[in-house]
Amino acid sequence: GENVEQHPSTLSVQEGDSAVIKCTYSDSASNYFPWYKQELGKRPQLIIDIRSNVGEKKDQRIAVTLNKTAKHFSLHITETQPEDSAVYFCAAIARSGGSYIPTFGRGTSLIVHP
Amino acid sequence: DTGVSQDPRHKITKRGQNVTFRCDPISEHNRLYWYRQTLGQGPEFLTYFQNEAQLEKSRLLSDRFSAERPKGSFSTLEIQRTEQGDSAMYLCASSSGSTETQYFGPGTRLLVL
Repeated sequence: GENVEQHPSTLSVQEGDSAVIKCTYSDSASNYFPWYKQELGKRPQLIIDIRSNVGEKKDQRIAVTLNKTAKHFSLHITETQPEDSAVYFCAAIARSGGSYIPTFGRGTSLIVHP
Repeated sequence: DTGVSQDPRHKITKRGQNVTFRCDPISEHNRLYWYRQTLGQGPEFLTYFQNEAQLEKSRLLSDRFSAERPKGSFSTLEIQRTEQGDSAMYLCASSSGSTETQYFGPGTRLLVL
């Protein structure tokens, strides 16, 4: 089955700095990679996603890059703000017989200090 | 609110009791997923429905767990003879047939005493 490793587990930055979270996956059949943000006590919210036919995607201060050969993808947040503080999860999804079963990383707790 | 909803939001039960949770997906979504999340971990897949058919079930899922989606709309997750290790957040998510993107509900937090 798929295995997703996520690093670091905790990331502490100063407001205005950039933050980078990295994930690796094992199943070459995975072709969809979403990132979720989860604030304390709240549901995971999709913030950005990328498909395997694209190498990079950007949405304002958030960007995701994908290296299919190396089987890794990264989340980049620029000009961090205190409200970016949350746990971020990556996931890898491979379509299997009509099913889309994601495997999630263990999460990165991002702390942005004012 | 047109998002995914779950009920109850919190449940405290004694070991050995049965509990049932409900999930109402986004109305036009035909795919529904159940996950379990413990502190410091990402969501762990439990089971998946496409319409009323249960198509995937995690090998890690104990036979004390059962899920249904009888009319292809809402779903229920039942845990029989609860154990302390079942304490977790149970998340539901849904997606439409045209995309892999999943939208999560607020979760049901279960505490087994």
